[in-house]
Amino acid sequence: DAGVIQSPRHEVTEMGQEVTLRCKPISGHNSLFWYRQTMMRGLELLIYFNNNVPIDDSGMPEDRFSAKMPNASFSTLKIQPSEPRDSAVYFCASSLSNSYNEQFFGPGTRLTVL
Amino acid sequence: LAKTTQPISMDSYEGQEVNITCSHNNIATNDYITWYQQFPSQGPRFIIQGYKTKVTNEVASLFIPADRKSSTLSLPRVSLSDTAVYYCLVQSGGSYIPTFGRGTSLIVHP
Repeated sequence: DAGVIQSPRHEVTEMGQEVTLRCKPISGHNSLFWYRQTMMRGLELLIYFNNNVPIDDSGMPEDRFSAKMPNASFSTLKIQPSEPRDSAVYFCASSLSNSYNEQFFGPGTRLTVL
Repeated sequence: LAKTTQPISMDSYEGQEVNITCSHNNIATNDYITWYQQFPSQGPRFIIQGYKTKVTNEVASLFIPADRKSSTLSLPRVSLSDTAVYYCLVQSGGSYIPTFGRGTSLIVHP
C-alpha cells in the first residue's frame, strides 16, 4: 500500500486566493482526519470523518475552512479566502474506525500564504 | 478527555537511554495510552500503545504504573536518528478525538 497520499506537497499562494488540499486515505480505512501544525499551536485536529460523514468539525478555525469527503478514497480541505495566518503544514491521516486504532499520516502539505 | 502533560524538550547523547514521562491524572478506565514519533518534515507515526504495566516492541518500551496517572516512554541506546518530537496521547473508548498538542522535542547529540 502506498500509504496516505496528499497533494500538493507544497503550496505557495497569495492572500485572498482559494486553496484546495487533497488526501487519499489508505484503502479500507474508514476514518479520516485533517490536522494543522504550526510552531505556536502544535498539531491541531481540524475535522474528522467516519464512513465519509463529518463527525466533528469543532477544530475548523472559521467559515473560511471547509472539508469534504465525497467517497471513501478522497477528501479535500479548502480555504477560501486564504490569509497569511493560515500558513502551516496540513496533515491528513486515516485509520480503521476504532478510537484505539493507530492513525497513519500522510507526508503533509506545506502551505505558505503571502 | 484526559489531558496530558509532557516536557517541551529534552536533550540526550548517542548511546544513552532516554525516558520521557507523560502525566495524565484524569485518565479514565477505558483509556489507552499511545505514543507517536514525528521526524522533521514528516507526519507522526505510531510507536507504541499500552493500558497498564509494561509494553515492549522493537522501537521502545512503555511503562505504566498501577494508578495509570502517568506513563514513561523509554528509548534504549538512542542514536542521532531518534531526534524527533514524541507525542503522548490518551485515547478514550468511544471518542474519536485524539489530542496531540506540542509533544516533547528530543534532540540527540553526538
